[in-house]
Amino acid sequence: EVQLVESGGGLVQPGGSLRLSCVASGFTFSSYSMNWVRQAPGKGLEWVSYISTYSSTIYYADSVKGRFTISRDNAKNSLSLQMNSLRDEDTAVYYCARHDQWLKYWGQGTLVTVSS
Amino acid sequence: SYVLTQPPSVSVAPGQTARITCGGNNIGTKSVHWYQQKPGQAPVLVVYADSDRPSGIPERFSGSNSGNTATLTISRVEAGDEADYYCQVWDSSSDHVVFGGGTKLTVL
Repeated sequence: EVQLVESGGGLVQPGGSLRLSCVASGFTFSSYSMNWVRQAPGKGLEWVSYISTYSSTIYYADSVKGRFTISRDNAKNSLSLQMNSLRDEDTAVYYCARHDQWLKYWGQGTLVTVSS
Repeated sequence: SYVLTQPPSVSVAPGQTARITCGGNNIGTKSVHWYQQKPGQAPVLVVYADSDRPSGIPERFSGSNSGNTATLTISRVEAGDEADYYCQVWDSSSDHVVFGGGTKLTVL
């Protein structure tokens, strides 16, 4: 059974940093690209970032480019999102999702709240 | 960047057919995927590659894509289908995953 489990969310002040993690199981992690997708309270889905299987290709949404860094450790079946210079508008549930062209498998999400 | 436009809401009586549209420039040339999201839950893929269904998704869910509009059709709507629905494509010109704004399906 494919499982994606996010962690690392919490309350952070504007301008602060946070690192999210996503641990994968039930499939060969190194064979799949991965994404981070977020959802602000009461809002729709917003794609954040994409990373290819061996990290050679990385893309970011314009809203987070230069502030967020996606990475992965295939040996640990782990995906990360380093978030710096956080803003109020980054408040959201952050999901990791496996990239199969479509996003078939999602984690349960981790809540990030940016507030003073 | 590529924009996908969905109606904010669609309402349908139980047993009827719901159609949720997703508009985009020449979207018929792209592969469209649809997700269902219920409150407090992660999204669930219900249609991929325009019209294919993942295992476990009822045949009542179907999709089509042509011209500037993709459509998710839910036949014989049930109360349990009430949820938000999102369309999604990969925009190769910007190398971005793109989501539509979402449509809230209300079962009357």
